[in-house]
Amino acid sequence: DTAVSQTPKYLVTQMGNDKSIKCEQNLGHDTMYWYKQDSKKFLKIMFSYNNKELIINETVPNRFSPKSPDKAHLNLHINSLELGDSAVYFCASSQDSGTSGEEETQYFGPGTRLLVL
Amino acid sequence: QQQVKQSPQSLIVQKGGISIINCAYENTAFDYFPWYQQFPGKGPALLIAIRPDVSEKKEGRFTISFNKSAKQFSLHIMDSQPGDSATYFCAARNTGGFKTIFGAGTRLFVKA
Repeated sequence: DTAVSQTPKYLVTQMGNDKSIKCEQNLGHDTMYWYKQDSKKFLKIMFSYNNKELIINETVPNRFSPKSPDKAHLNLHINSLELGDSAVYFCASSQDSGTSGEEETQYFGPGTRLLVL
Repeated sequence: QQQVKQSPQSLIVQKGGISIINCAYENTAFDYFPWYQQFPGKGPALLIAIRPDVSEKKEGRFTISFNKSAKQFSLHIMDSQPGDSATYFCAARNTGGFKTIFGAGTRLFVKA
């Protein structure tokens, strides 16, 4: 049983193309995230959705557009791909309700390795 | 103020030795401090976490030490094993926020 799944696992594409990455979680969590991990392993949050509502949007170029059709899915669409977009993109989910409690653990997907040529 | 500073960037330890990774933060609103472990080709996974009302938490060979006044916390891995070789991230989360701030990561290599 995969808790957080992402597709595709690998994505190789040309500059200027548009691509999407899909994420699904079967944990019943209310909050989902997209992170970008660069070649130096630095993990940077891009977006967070809580109950399908965007709550974090971290100075990400507007070429990146997240979409949450329901609480279990958070997809990432990237327009006009650039060389600098090459990275590993991780989806994550948590039961985080925005208040202090026991449910802040984030569960990460396996990652999507994007290479822009 | 939102940063979490992590050191060292990389660490090589002999099998059986103690691995120590340190983190520091500025924002006193942080109320939850997790450590994540990431193996090559995998997503990060929660290893152990602590809240600021305790100074130490131990789970097996892994211990978090927390110094609230110094705004520092550290991960100690006792009896380090080659299987512990991975990248470790400290992190901190705000009360009332959904954002977890990650440190830059420490690549640990345990020599057999």
